[in-house]
Amino acid sequence: DAGVIQSPRHEVTEMGQEVTLRCKPISGHDYLFWYRQTMMRGLELLIYFNNNVPIDDSGMPEDRFSAKMPNASFSTLKIQPSEPRDSAVYFCASSPGVGLEKLFFGSGTQLSVL
Amino acid sequence: GENVEQHPSTLSVQEGDSAVIKCTYSDSASNYFPWYKQELGKRPQLIIDIRSNVGEKKDQRIAVTLNKTAKHFSLHITETQPEDSAVYFCAARNSGNTPLVFGKGTRLSVIA
Repeated sequence: DAGVIQSPRHEVTEMGQEVTLRCKPISGHDYLFWYRQTMMRGLELLIYFNNNVPIDDSGMPEDRFSAKMPNASFSTLKIQPSEPRDSAVYFCASSPGVGLEKLFFGSGTQLSVL
Repeated sequence: GENVEQHPSTLSVQEGDSAVIKCTYSDSASNYFPWYKQELGKRPQLIIDIRSNVGEKKDQRIAVTLNKTAKHFSLHITETQPEDSAVYFCAARNSGNTPLVFGKGTRLSVIA
């Protein structure tokens, strides 16, 4: 298995533009998580899905952020419009169906909003 | 909800010395405590975990201890090597279907 796959690895955009981050979880994993990593706040959970259904989106900072999981093998995190303070590394992670314990992280997307 | 505090935020040690990172948690119902290591530019990866029915767990040069009464747990790395340099995250979760809550991380530098 190739692990959790994220794209793009790096994204540079201008303030006000729409940004879409993509994630393919490990096949068979029932849970998918989106995290944001910054120096100040560490790893913040934004939203997570179970069997493609959003369970908790209380970590999504603003209405500018949205996430979807149309099927078991694909999820997107969208920021519209983007702002400089959104600059961070965004990680997707997946977990097997047995509990929410061991997380397998993707390589992350380094987002820079100018 | 759960809150995890991690200290120190940065730690420098000489190669061969030991390193200790400490975390406290707030929810006494928490029962699972993993540690993740993130090398520079890489993804976080699980290195060791402990459950609340165990006080200590060891895997070669790394060990984790848990004090349920005080609600804190620690990561111990002995005989540190340059490749141990990374950011280490502790986390906790309670029973039920709740996600891990992470500490803010400790940047460990092992100086050769």
